[in-house]
Amino acid sequence: GAGVSQSPSNKVTEKGKDVELRCDPISGHTALYWYRQSLGQGLEFLIYFQGNSAPDKSGLPSDRFSAERTGGSVSTLTIQRTQQEDSAVYLCASSFGTRDEQYFGPGTRLTVT
Amino acid sequence: GQQVMQIPQYQHVQEGEDFTTYCNSSTTLSNIQWYKQRPGGHPVFLIQLVKSGEVKKQKRLTFQFGEAKKNSSLHITATQTTDVGTYFCAGPRLDSSYKLIFGSGTRLLVRP
Repeated sequence: GAGVSQSPSNKVTEKGKDVELRCDPISGHTALYWYRQSLGQGLEFLIYFQGNSAPDKSGLPSDRFSAERTGGSVSTLTIQRTQQEDSAVYLCASSFGTRDEQYFGPGTRLTVT
Repeated sequence: GQQVMQIPQYQHVQEGEDFTTYCNSSTTLSNIQWYKQRPGGHPVFLIQLVKSGEVKKQKRLTFQFGEAKKNSSLHITATQTTDVGTYFCAGPRLDSSYKLIFGSGTRLLVRP
């Protein structure tokens, strides 16, 4: 594909349920990032993957959040036992190298009711 | 901790007026990136500045990196309604250069 894709585009879930968000980065990009953006706010770093290296999970807000990247390509962000404060837009970005510009996907808008 | 701040938070201008947003870092940056996010959209990379005092232009947009590499600005000449959106600056963290710290953004509204 031409750009980063994410699915679903919107997700409404009940408090306490688990959700999985998916990101397909640009082919050939080794770096992949997840961010969270609350309404009208900046971007909050969540997690970073680079090639086959161990991911940097330092931005994950709690142990309910986890992410994996299979085969160095597709990534999934999982939020267990969702809470209302998890409601936000979750953005995925990829870049060719670690210091290159990041290309963002359209995001997944998560609403926890 | 390391911070990147942007001012103003909002700017409402008449179409044709100029616009400037300022980005200030608490630490020296190796580079600075600028992104634009249209309403309801996702951030889109605009430019990266690396050198002290660097100035780059993209049509009506002028980007500047300060001599001390701690501040940057984005100036738009003769704004158009297509310029509407939020402009973010971002710089690499001191402890991990692959992590970007994003400013809180400046939201630009343009009256036609």
